[in-house]
Amino acid sequence: SQQGEEDPQALSIQEGENATMNCSYKTSINNLQWYRQNSGRGLVHLILIRSNEREKHSGRLRVTLDTSKKSSSLLITASRAADTASYFCAPGAGGGNKLTFGTGTQLKVEL
Amino acid sequence: GAVVSQHPSRVICKSGTSVKIECRSLDFQATTMFWYRQFPKQSLMLMATSNEGSKATYEQGVEKDKFLINHASLTLSTLTVTSAHPEDSSFYICSARKTNTEAFFGQGTRLTVV
Repeated sequence: SQQGEEDPQALSIQEGENATMNCSYKTSINNLQWYRQNSGRGLVHLILIRSNEREKHSGRLRVTLDTSKKSSSLLITASRAADTASYFCAPGAGGGNKLTFGTGTQLKVEL
Repeated sequence: GAVVSQHPSRVICKSGTSVKIECRSLDFQATTMFWYRQFPKQSLMLMATSNEGSKATYEQGVEKDKFLINHASLTLSTLTVTSAHPEDSSFYICSARKTNTEAFFGQGTRLTVV
């Protein structure tokens, strides 16, 4: 398995603004997933994008995938204080493979 | 979505004792579960892959005799931290995957060894 590298490491924005975080990986994937972790809790799955997809939406979330650049981005629109959390990407090669994680992006949304 | 339940959520134990953490998939069968540990403000570190009916696969640097994993059924995996020491204090998280898609995570267990 491979882990993604999230960028930036930390991001602080005002409520209502958009938040964009990026993920880079090294080898070919079948899919890429994004997860959120609130402080002191487990991870929650946000969205999965397959390697043949370029963009995917889920509510206020928009994920893009550029396999030629081996990168993905997660956009959270109209952010809320409740979006404050750490966000991790997980490049996947399919099957029952283990998921490994980078250091994540720590997002803070201020009122 | 599927539910993975982890218990206990918090535990404090004395140095030298053992602690067992349970991870259950409540509404699906998980032939494979994963155990992670996380230090404050750091990422999740994969410790081992728990395989139902067979031995766990440990990541490099993880002591298998220290962290005993048992996956006796398709819905239950346990992690036992043996002879715990203060440096074992950490946040332990389990996860399970239904297919080759999303993983479902437990709520985590905060272990404090005093």
